Amino acid sequence: EAGVAQSPRYKIIEKRQSVAFWCNPISGHATLYWYQQILGQGPKLLIQFQNNGVVDDSQLPKDRFSAERLKGVDSTLKIQPAKLEDSAVYLCASSPPPPGQHYGYTFGSGTRLTVV
Amino acid sequence: GQQLNQSPQSMFIQEGEDVSMNCTSSSIFNTWLWYKQDPGEGPVLLIALYKAGELTSNGRLTAQFGITRKDSFLNISASIPSDVGIYFCAGHNAGNMLTFGGGTRLMVKP
Repeated sequence: EAGVAQSPRYKIIEKRQSVAFWCNPISGHATLYWYQQILGQGPKLLIQFQNNGVVDDSQLPKDRFSAERLKGVDSTLKIQPAKLEDSAVYLCASSPPPPGQHYGYTFGSGTRLTVV
Repeated sequence: GQQLNQSPQSMFIQEGEDVSMNCTSSSIFNTWLWYKQDPGEGPVLLIALYKAGELTSNGRLTAQFGITRKDSFLNISASIPSDVGIYFCAGHNAGNMLTFGGGTRLMVKP
């Protein structure tokens, strides 16, 4: 089966600019996640969707970050305006409903964002 | 929030050596998972542990879920060059959200 697709792979922007990332999960996976991975650290959850509804966005900096999952499939994550500390890899993951959620928890290759 | 402390942060390996790394938490988790991340890629699941005390193997990898449910270890036996990468532990509770440790970077001894 096709994996989790993310684009772009790399993005360099100046601070205060806007940027958007796109994710296409594995077909049939109802749950979609966005993680932020700062260099040298483990991934940190930003937001979790179940179909097109938000399950958890408690760690999303809502003053500058937004995410949507229209029609319960693809998702976009936006940063506006970007700050230097937003430089990180943004990972998208998806999983099927229980009981297979762990083995089906698949990550994309990520988008590496550099804010200068 | 929940935090996972992973150690060591990095280590050098020589082909054929056994490797051990562990993860401790201030909170209880219902499930422990171990992932490997190669450069430029997302984490890939290696082993999942579902019960306290559980010992599970996947080829040369062995992992255990601590009795207290606050720790886990991963062992790699007879390491090979392709074992190089970053290994992450992750804990899971309700809601399907994963909390990751800081990672253990495995490098080849020069």
